[in-house]
Amino acid sequence: KQEVTQIPAALSVPEGENLVLNCSFTDSAIYNLQWFRQDPGKGLTSLLLIQSSQREQTSGRLNASLDKSSGRSTLYIAASQPGDSATYLCAVRTQGGSEKLVFGKGTKLTVNP
Amino acid sequence: NAGVTQTPKFQVLKTGQSMTLQCAQDMNHNSMYWYRQDPGMGLRLIYYSASEGTTDKGEVPNGYNVSRLNKREFSLRLESAAPSQTSVYFCASDTGTAWAMNTEAFFGQGTRLTVV
Repeated sequence: KQEVTQIPAALSVPEGENLVLNCSFTDSAIYNLQWFRQDPGKGLTSLLLIQSSQREQTSGRLNASLDKSSGRSTLYIAASQPGDSATYLCAVRTQGGSEKLVFGKGTKLTVNP
Repeated sequence: NAGVTQTPKFQVLKTGQSMTLQCAQDMNHNSMYWYRQDPGMGLRLIYYSASEGTTDKGEVPNGYNVSRLNKREFSLRLESAAPSQTSVYFCASDTGTAWAMNTEAFFGQGTRLTVV
């Protein structure tokens, strides 16, 4: 059974700092990995999708990497801003079965002005 | 571009009452999902529909039923609400397994349900 872990559960940084959020998964047979952002009381917004054949994806100040063999992904946020404060979730789509997404519990990020 | 739309956004029920949560997507996606999100538990899959006319149980299906009304709509029904069903419910959709490598999931804004 696929299990997804995100460490740390919470992170507080000063504005302008570069930071890394971690995601690990137990079954490396995945189709893809997706990073989401969730603001308080809101739904999930897709940030980046990395296919299993890819090593990284970039969108603006965000860069997500994938090391499928070691079961790890990182989300790098450059020059963090208070508006980046949110919970970040990663989810993997595992091969076999119904290819449903399995989620980590998220990292709550606070960027202090 | 509406994406995934859920109704209602908020609901308070008394124990034993029934209700249906509605979800519609306008992206011509094959697969649709219902999740619940609880503090400390993360997102858990309740039911999903891989294509129109099919539904399957997820991780926590007890106390719920679903209907895939057509390709656009997927509803979740609570027949006899219990306080343990107090949660935030999310509907999601994606293109389905035919294009698994680049399948990207999109979520609605959620329904906050309180059962008293």
